[in-house]
Amino acid sequence: EIVMTQSPATLSVSPGERATLSCRASQSVSSNLAWYQQKPGQAPRLLIYGASTRATNIPARFSGSGSGTEFTLTISSLQSEDSAVYYCQQYNNWPPLTFGGGTKVEIK
Amino acid sequence: QVQLQESGPGLVKPSETLSLTCSVSGYSISSGYYWGWIRQPPGKGLEWIGSIYESGSTYYNPSLQSRVTISVDTSKNQFSLNLSSVTAADTAVYYCARVFTVDPWFDPWGQGTLVTVSS
Repeated sequence: EIVMTQSPATLSVSPGERATLSCRASQSVSSNLAWYQQKPGQAPRLLIYGASTRATNIPARFSGSGSGTEFTLTISSLQSEDSAVYYCQQYNNWPPLTFGGGTKVEIK
Repeated sequence: QVQLQESGPGLVKPSETLSLTCSVSGYSISSGYYWGWIRQPPGKGLEWIGSIYESGSTYYNPSLQSRVTISVDTSKNQFSLNLSSVTAADTAVYYCARVFTVDPWFDPWGQGTLVTVSS
């Protein structure tokens, strides 16, 4: 099973600043990685797939990068509505499909 | 626009079977894609349970495989989850989602339903 590790656990960022979230895989997952956003009381929403392709209707301030074992989700200019927990998910070697533990983004 | 909605009992007794249904609207299950279940214990992260194709072929999380059955009813445009011999550790919000076939990410998701295991 591929273990996904996200860091930091919590990130506090001021509005308008850049947020950088990390996701590390226990072995290479190529570019087979997705990112999700989950706001309190809501279901997760797909942000990024293929490590760097934005899903439909996702704002351009969200970008993904990386391949192999190291991945980054960047929010270029944080908005108040971006306060959420962000999860990465690998789909390179499965079953099982596995998620990271999440990074909580707070607005400073 | 594809929409998914989970339904089923919110309370299940220990050792019994948890049964949930996901109703899909705006898209025919028979038209392709996998359809999956994911759960999230309160305050914790996400765990994939399993996925099913419209033909009925399934993939399960090995950690749950002995207790999980996922089935599909194309005539009702629904798919279902059965999880047997539940314990308090199975208390979670259960989500259903569409799963992309070749590269299995999840989009969209249902709103989720909380299932509590308690006597």
